[in-house]
Amino acid sequence: AQSVTQLGSHVSVSEGALVLLRCNYSSSVPPYLFWYVQYPNQGLQLLLKYTSAATLVKGINGFEAEFKKSETSFHLTKPSAHMSDAAEYFCAVEETSGSRLTFGEGTQLTVNP
Amino acid sequence: EAGVVQSPRYKIIEKKQPVAFWCNPISGHNTLYWYRQNLGQGPELLIRYENEEAVDDSQLPKDRFSAERLKGVDSTLKIQPAELGDSAVYLCASSLSMNTGELFFGEGSRLTVL
Repeated sequence: AQSVTQLGSHVSVSEGALVLLRCNYSSSVPPYLFWYVQYPNQGLQLLLKYTSAATLVKGINGFEAEFKKSETSFHLTKPSAHMSDAAEYFCAVEETSGSRLTFGEGTQLTVNP
Repeated sequence: EAGVVQSPRYKIIEKKQPVAFWCNPISGHNTLYWYRQNLGQGPELLIRYENEEAVDDSQLPKDRFSAERLKGVDSTLKIQPAELGDSAVYLCASSLSMNTGELFFGEGSRLTVL
């Protein structure tokens, strides 16, 4: 069965610093992978998705993620954090197109001035 | 374009009482999802509809939970009777089809069972 593990339930960075949120997946086949963001009191929205077209995926708001099959990872990065990036970030996996989307437990990102 | 609309945003009830949540998906979206999000956890799928048909309801506790999507548009999720452990945020999402992986979420309905 597919699953995702997000390392670190809380990550704190300074404004302007690199953001790195970790996600490892478990799947028997090359999966579809997603990052969603949830701002306070809002619904989740899609940041980016990997669907095998390219291993480096660019998303909204300057975020990107790299699919590394050898490490079964899909870490999310942003070169320079902004205060508005403070939110909860969820990694999600879909084993095959159209199958159930399974979410990780989330990482709360805090950006300090 | 209007997003996914859910109501109520907040609901406080006593245990053993019934509760219902309503969801209006984005126009034209055939697939509708109900997720439950417990505090500090990621969303977990309860049920997924393709038009009017429930295509994945294996995670729905059918002894107390029910859902319907009449006419393939709006959907209602009901809990009867509610238990203390049902306190959570109930999220509705929709997508154009099952194959995109891109879900559009509503703001959620926060349930507190006392």
